[in-house]
Amino acid sequence: TQLLEQSPQFLSIQEGENLTVYCNSSSVFSSLQWYRQEPGEGPVLLVTVVTGGEVKKLKRLTFQFGDARKDSSLHITAAQPGDTGLYLCAGVAGRRALTFGSGTRLQVQP
Amino acid sequence: GAGVSQSPSNKVTEKGKDVELRCDPISGHTALYWYRQSLGQGLEFLIYFQGNSAPDKSGLPSDRFSAERTGGSVSTLTIQRTQQEDSAVYLCASSSSSGSYEQFFGPGTRLTVL
Repeated sequence: TQLLEQSPQFLSIQEGENLTVYCNSSSVFSSLQWYRQEPGEGPVLLVTVVTGGEVKKLKRLTFQFGDARKDSSLHITAAQPGDTGLYLCAGVAGRRALTFGSGTRLQVQP
Repeated sequence: GAGVSQSPSNKVTEKGKDVELRCDPISGHTALYWYRQSLGQGLEFLIYFQGNSAPDKSGLPSDRFSAERTGGSVSTLTIQRTQQEDSAVYLCASSSSSGSYEQFFGPGTRLTVL
């Protein structure tokens, strides 16, 4: 069974602070996706990282895929209240369904 | 265009009753997935349909759970003899293909078993 562990599980910070969310596994994935979910809605894809060591930036969000393709991180610079939500990483292995992490609930206080 | 829709949005049922949850995927998407999410947690894979291939049922937690996809489009997830531990949000997603293609999620059905 492929498992993805996310840390921290919950993070409450003040507007303007930086934060990093981690996604770790003992399994290798062909690619890894990050989703953000708001209450009452389904997750929405933020990014897909494919190559080991790859770094992608989406405005204030920086995503990195580990060299061995077993782990990933999401760094948010100068967090804003609009960043509040549940962040989920999801591993892709072949043509199977995604394996989702347990999620990191982020709350950004104004 | 229209996104993934699910119905009902909320379902309250009594223990032991059967329930049916419906998912309308994005038109033309060949892959359809069902996940279960408990109170703000990660998503648990249930079942996956890809085109005309046999579905991957490896995530179904018990034989009380079943799903079908008619005509390669609409899917129905059925839970028989519901139990309190079945209470969760059931999410459906579709994608243009499987693998690393983006999955588009519906808003989910919140199931409460009393």
